[in-house]
Amino acid sequence: ELKVEQNPLFLSMQEGKNYTIYCNYSTTSDRLYWYRQDPGKSLESLFVLLSNGAVKQEGRLMASLDTKARLSTLHITAAVHDLSATYFCAADFTGANSKLTFGKGITLSVRP
Amino acid sequence: DTEVTQTPKHLVMGMTNKKSLKCEQHMGHRAMYWYKQKAKKPPELMFVYSYEKLSINESVPSRFSPECPNSSLLNLHLHALQPEDSALYLCASSQDYAGAGYEQYFGPGTRLTVT
Repeated sequence: ELKVEQNPLFLSMQEGKNYTIYCNYSTTSDRLYWYRQDPGKSLESLFVLLSNGAVKQEGRLMASLDTKARLSTLHITAAVHDLSATYFCAADFTGANSKLTFGKGITLSVRP
Repeated sequence: DTEVTQTPKHLVMGMTNKKSLKCEQHMGHRAMYWYKQKAKKPPELMFVYSYEKLSINESVPSRFSPECPNSSLLNLHLHALQPEDSALYLCASSQDYAGAGYEQYFGPGTRLTVT
């Protein structure tokens, strides 16, 4: 059974500083996803990481995937208030009865 | 069109009511999903439809009844719900299911409150 863990579960960030959050998964996965969710809203897809060493960047966010370590990182550059939200990572694999498995989510709060 | 739509956006219903949630996509996707999400928790899979047939039912109580009338539409019929069923209900679709591995696109959700 695929398990996905995120840490920390809550992170208070100071504006302008850099931070990294982590996502570990337990078994071989074909794809690793990062989603953002604002309170009361749906999931917004941020990144889809398909292969070892994949790195994707969008604005102040950069995601990477290390399949050997079963680890994905989301790096935040110069945090701004607009990045305050909950970030979920999720993983799945190609196989019978596979499901998209989510981590518990990390709530980021950016303070002045 | 890369959009999944859901109606209604908000729904308040009593425990004796019957209501339905609707989901629609026009991306030609053949797999559709219902998720339930409680506050401060990740989404939980409820049902998966693949090619209009139910592929996965995650032991969901029978008061939730899914229906897939065609490849673009997915309904969730609600009857005799409990207050603890109050949650955000998310619909998603993907190109195919075949054991996952296809990116899922999520709709905006329906916020359900059971009184």
